[in-house]
Amino acid sequence: DAGVTQSPTHLIKTRGQQVTLRCSPKSGHDTVSWYQQALGQGPQFIFQYYEEEERQRGNFPDRFSGHQFPNYSSELNVNALLLGDSALYLCASSLGLAGPYEQYFGPGTRLTVT
Amino acid sequence: GQQVMQIPQYQHVQEGEDFTTYCNSSTTLSNIQWYKQRPGGHPVFLIQLVKSGEVKKQKRLTFQFGEAKKNSSLHITATQTTDVGTYFCAGHSGNEKLTFGTGTRLTIIP
Repeated sequence: DAGVTQSPTHLIKTRGQQVTLRCSPKSGHDTVSWYQQALGQGPQFIFQYYEEEERQRGNFPDRFSGHQFPNYSSELNVNALLLGDSALYLCASSLGLAGPYEQYFGPGTRLTVT
Repeated sequence: GQQVMQIPQYQHVQEGEDFTTYCNSSTTLSNIQWYKQRPGGHPVFLIQLVKSGEVKKQKRLTFQFGEAKKNSSLHITATQTTDVGTYFCAGHSGNEKLTFGTGTRLTIIP
């Protein structure tokens, strides 16, 4: 039973560039949520995708966008990178929207913006 | 918006001592979840509480959800080196997004 996978593991980008992070949910899950975790802080909710639509969104600017594919995998795109975007980006999968539900996290993508 | 605070921020305990972290929400929660994140790792789901006043146990871990559904606690009895990590609570308030607490980092002195 495959868990949540994310790619790449690490990424270094320059200010102003764009980045795409990828996530495959746990087998059987159809909902994907993305979180940003700065060093020493708790995960901050970016957005959630279900049935290929963004269902909920946290307090992140429009530079952060996403997509969910028919196979439930998802991408997180960040445009015009800022130094403050450096963080661990976590993908979490769950089943359905009707809670309560536990989330399974992937290992994350460590993004460094220089 | 909803805020979830945890205390203490850091806790150093001697191996074998007990440990407790407290979670307080600014709004009433529909459920509370607890996660553990090992150093360099990702959050791992531990448990979910839904009912007011609910208490659940997992071996040496005891989780409690407050009567008003605005606070929660995690208590570890007789800590072991494997308990090292940061413990996060996270809750939903109505249909709002899952909000994580600030976390408590536990270190164990052998």
